[in-house]
Amino acid sequence: QVQLVQSGAEVKNPGASVKVSCKASGYTFTSYPMHWVRQAPGQRLEWMGWITPDTGNTRYSQKFQGRVTITRDISASTAYMELSSLGSEDTALYYCARVPAPSKELDYWGQGTLVTVSS
Amino acid sequence: EIVLTQSPGTLSLSPGERATLSCRASQSVTSSYLAWYQQKPGQAPRLLIYGTSSRATGIPDRFSGSGSGTDFTLTISRLEPEDFAVYYCQQCDTSPRTFGQGTKVEIK
Repeated sequence: QVQLVQSGAEVKNPGASVKVSCKASGYTFTSYPMHWVRQAPGQRLEWMGWITPDTGNTRYSQKFQGRVTITRDISASTAYMELSSLGSEDTALYYCARVPAPSKELDYWGQGTLVTVSS
Repeated sequence: EIVLTQSPGTLSLSPGERATLSCRASQSVTSSYLAWYQQKPGQAPRLLIYGTSSRATGIPDRFSGSGSGTDFTLTISRLEPEDFAVYYCQQCDTSPRTFGQGTKVEIK
């Protein structure tokens, strides 16, 4: 069965960077784009960007452009999301989610990784 | 950016009742690219409906979606205890792929 397993919770100081991983299993990793979505406390879900694992091509929300980098390791069937210059407003649950291309909805989600930014 | 506005913010209903949730877009969304998700406390969102009206794998037929253009609706025909949750719509038509603010369906 399809599973997306994310890395554990992180606590970071303001100005630092965080890198969250998402390990895929149960399907061919390179065949499905992987997206990242975050959810700050009490806020709506917020789309951050995505990667096409076979080519490594990425696209980011303009809001996070310059601060977010999404990468992948095909041999490990793992996608990564790195967010830099963290501020308190980046405290959120971060999710990876698969897209069953050519459709565009998010059909399987990781369990979420809590990132807390605090001094 | 397409802004999605969901209404009502909270829906208080009893099991067995019908729930009607609205999602209004600030500009037209291609029907193929409107999805609905269910989220329960402490869990990741779960895909319910894609392409406006297609149920995702394993989703019971009491869930249905409809709409076009800027107005979309999720209907739960008879609420079961496990349906009390927060529901989000998402447009996957244009970047950024925005979400609504959610509708909470709570037990009356």
